[in-house]
Amino acid sequence: AQSVTQPDIHITVSEGASLELRCNYSYGATPYLFWYVQSPGQGLQLLLKYFSGDTLVQGIKGFEAEFKRSQSSFNLRKPSVHWSDAAEYFCAVAASGGSYIPTFGRGTSLIVHP
Amino acid sequence: DGGITQSPKYLFRKEGQNVTLSCEQNLNHDAMYWYRQDPGQGLRLIYYSQIVNDFQKGDIAEGYSVSREKKESFPLTVTSAQKNPTAFYLCATRGGTGHYGYTFGSGTRLTVV
Repeated sequence: AQSVTQPDIHITVSEGASLELRCNYSYGATPYLFWYVQSPGQGLQLLLKYFSGDTLVQGIKGFEAEFKRSQSSFNLRKPSVHWSDAAEYFCAVAASGGSYIPTFGRGTSLIVHP
Repeated sequence: DGGITQSPKYLFRKEGQNVTLSCEQNLNHDAMYWYRQDPGQGLRLIYYSQIVNDFQKGDIAEGYSVSREKKESFPLTVTSAQKNPTAFYLCATRGGTGHYGYTFGSGTRLTVV
């Protein structure tokens, strides 16, 4: 069974600073990996995904993530954070076959200081 | 515009009552899912359906029921057997295979009073 760990419950950054949110997964084969963002009281929006090919993936809103098989990681990065990026971020992993149902991490809350 | 509509946005229920949460989609997606979200616990799968007239239990199905009579609709009933139903409920769909990811609705917040 797959699992996801987001080790940081909260991350605080200053506006304009760089950001990295950590995600570690457990799965025997090459997984499908996702990052979602959630604003308060809203549903989740897909930021980016990885399923094969280039290990550096670009997403919406200036985010990118890098798949590192040797570290079982899929960290989310942004070079310069904007106040509007304050939200909850979820990493998810899905098996590359079968039902494709993802397992979600518990989320990291991003706080942006002016 | 294609999307997922969840209604109502806020729902209050008295203890002992059943309530039904609506999820309608016009994305023509085959697979639909219900998740429950509690603070600090991420998303937990309640039920899912990959095709009309078929659905499967997720990790926390006890106290919930669903139906999938139409491709566009996947309503969730929270029964009186659900001991702690106060939560944020999210409906999602998926088109194609797993690497397409989910599309989520905007959620329903259920509060037991």
